[in-house]
Amino acid sequence: EVQLVQSRAQVKKPGESLKISCKGSGYTFANYYIGWVRQVPGKGLEGMGIIYPGDSDTTYSPAFQGQVTISVDKSLSTAYLQWTSLKASDTAIYYCASPQGSGYASGWRFWGQGTLVSVSS
Amino acid sequence: DIVMTQSPLSLPVTPGEPASISCRSSQSLLHSSGYNYLEWYLQKPGQSPQLLIYLGSNRASGVPDRFSGSGSGTDFTLKISRVEAEDVGVYYCMQALESLTFGPGTRLEIK
Repeated sequence: EVQLVQSRAQVKKPGESLKISCKGSGYTFANYYIGWVRQVPGKGLEGMGIIYPGDSDTTYSPAFQGQVTISVDKSLSTAYLQWTSLKASDTAIYYCASPQGSGYASGWRFWGQGTLVSVSS
Repeated sequence: DIVMTQSPLSLPVTPGEPASISCRSSQSLLHSSGYNYLEWYLQKPGQSPQLLIYLGSNRASGVPDRFSGSGSGTDFTLKISRVEAEDVGVYYCMQALESLTFGPGTRLEIK
């Protein structure tokens, strides 16, 4: 069974750094894209970027380029989303997802449970 | 950047009645492969999104056949032939041609 398990909720102060994770299991992690999606409470879904674990090739959505870093550790079957200096506007639920096929347009069928990041002074 | 729009943004429906959601992209989602890189998702309250339709019209595994997707290029439609109570939630279209961009969402509620 394919599973994506995300790290627990985080409470941070503005200016702090953070790295959240998404661990895949039940499939060959290196062969399938991982995407990150943001959802501000009460708002819609925003695609942040996608990474191919096989070669760490990463594409960021323009709104998130330079704001976050997406990475993977193939040996741990884990993808990461990282901030160096959090802002209050980063408060959101962050989801990781993986497509059902080898291509990124084959339907993002598998989703993590979401990680709530709260940033407040 | 590809911009996605949806209409309506709110959709009250009587159980058993059909429902239709429109999605439009700012540029064609027709890939050189001949497939439209357009997907539909449903996010039920308190849950992660779930895939309904991929490549414009392919129903994902386990999705009831009352859901269907159609369209090509820049105009797409999600239809529910007979709405059930469990279909309540927010429906998003998403383009996968250039990174991932979602529409604003359509909230379906039961009348």
